[in-house]
Amino acid sequence: ETGVTQTPRHLVMGMTNKKSLKCEQHLGHNAMYWYKQSAKKPLELMFVYNFKEQTENNSVPSRFSPECPNSSHLFLHLHTLQPEDSALYLCASSQATSGLQETQYFGPGTRLLVL
Amino acid sequence: AQKITQTQPGMFVQEKEAVTLDCTYDTSDQSYGLFWYKQPSSGEMIFLIYQGSYDEQNATEGRYSLNFQKARKSANLVISASQLGDSAMYFCAMWVSSYDKVIFGPGTSLSVIP
Repeated sequence: ETGVTQTPRHLVMGMTNKKSLKCEQHLGHNAMYWYKQSAKKPLELMFVYNFKEQTENNSVPSRFSPECPNSSHLFLHLHTLQPEDSALYLCASSQATSGLQETQYFGPGTRLLVL
Repeated sequence: AQKITQTQPGMFVQEKEAVTLDCTYDTSDQSYGLFWYKQPSSGEMIFLIYQGSYDEQNATEGRYSLNFQKARKSANLVISASQLGDSAMYFCAMWVSSYDKVIFGPGTSLSVIP
């Protein structure tokens, strides 16, 4: 596979469930990102990992827990979510996090519905 | 503060016509990069074009060109010869050296009419 992949593409979960979103990049990049895209709102950066180290936590509630075991894989563990957490969750990667032309390449996203 | 503004929530264009999507940005940094992404209904964000703040030439990628007017702080996307597959949300984004994050505008929904 090429580019950035995300699984699952769609997820429905109850507020007491625990689930995980997976992202994998096949681009040889060193930085990975989680974004949240809610209806009628701009993209919100959640987490940034650079060389497997978390470099950004954008005031995200603790019910979202990221994990980056290596530069190619990124997980977002979900537990006790709220209905307002329903959104499209996008993963992205870039060569690094700094530099004027650090284009981020995105995966197809996971559409999450919390009931 | 860093900010991206896209004033057109929705746009329509006839197939084969050109269309300009507006983007203005606000930053006091001298070093920044501007990006355009396309998001079809499937959800994936597709990178289209990049312009660096020090680039003197306007960026072009196939049917996409970026009309960069630094003094006016605008980075409009021009799509020539629109195709039905161009119907999507389009996001303008900016990376600023001192902020070290990419911020996205609210997006413009483009519909191409046959």
